[in-house]
Amino acid sequence: AQSVTQLGSHVSVSEGALVLLRCNYSSSVPPYLFWYVQYPNQGLQLLLKYTTGATLVKGINGFEAEFKKSETSFHLTKPSAHMSDAAEYFCAVSEGSSNTGKLIFGQGTTLQVKP
Amino acid sequence: KAGVTQTPRYLIKTRGQQVTLSCSPISGHRSVSWYQQTPGQGLQFLFEYFSETQRNKGNFPGRFSGRQFSNSRSEMNVSTLELGDSALYLCASSIPRQDYTEAFFGQGTRLTVV
Repeated sequence: AQSVTQLGSHVSVSEGALVLLRCNYSSSVPPYLFWYVQYPNQGLQLLLKYTTGATLVKGINGFEAEFKKSETSFHLTKPSAHMSDAAEYFCAVSEGSSNTGKLIFGQGTTLQVKP
Repeated sequence: KAGVTQTPRYLIKTRGQQVTLSCSPISGHRSVSWYQQTPGQGLQFLFEYFSETQRNKGNFPGRFSGRQFSNSRSEMNVSTLELGDSALYLCASSIPRQDYTEAFFGQGTRLTVV
């Protein structure tokens, strides 16, 4: 069965500092991995996705993530945090099939950005 | 292109009542999935509908049900509401890519059971 673990339910950084949100996955098949962001009282917005090909993927708002199969990780980074990045971030894995829309989510990481 | 639309945005119901939530997917998307989000359990998959048929189901009691119409709009129903059903219910519509499915989420319906 697939699963996702996000290390750290809360991460606090200063504005301008590096953002690193950790995600490890477990999957018996080649995974397809996603990062979503959720602002208060909003739905989920896709930040970036890894499907195949390049292991370093770039997303919106300056975020990027690197797929490391040997470490079963898909950590999210941003070189310089902005106040508007404060939100909850979810890592998710799918079965890697076009025949299902089901996603398995991690527990989420709340990012706090201090001025 | 319009996004995923969920109605209503907020609901307050009394324990024991039933509730119906609605989701209109992005035009052309035939798959609709539902998720329950709570502080304690996080995001949990409820079920998925594709072309009016339930394709996947999560581990929820039978009080939770859904359906999909021929225009791909979907509804989920929760009967005999319990306090623990208070949650944000998210709907996602999906489009199949070559090897995976990409999901787009609505803004959710916040259900409060009192």
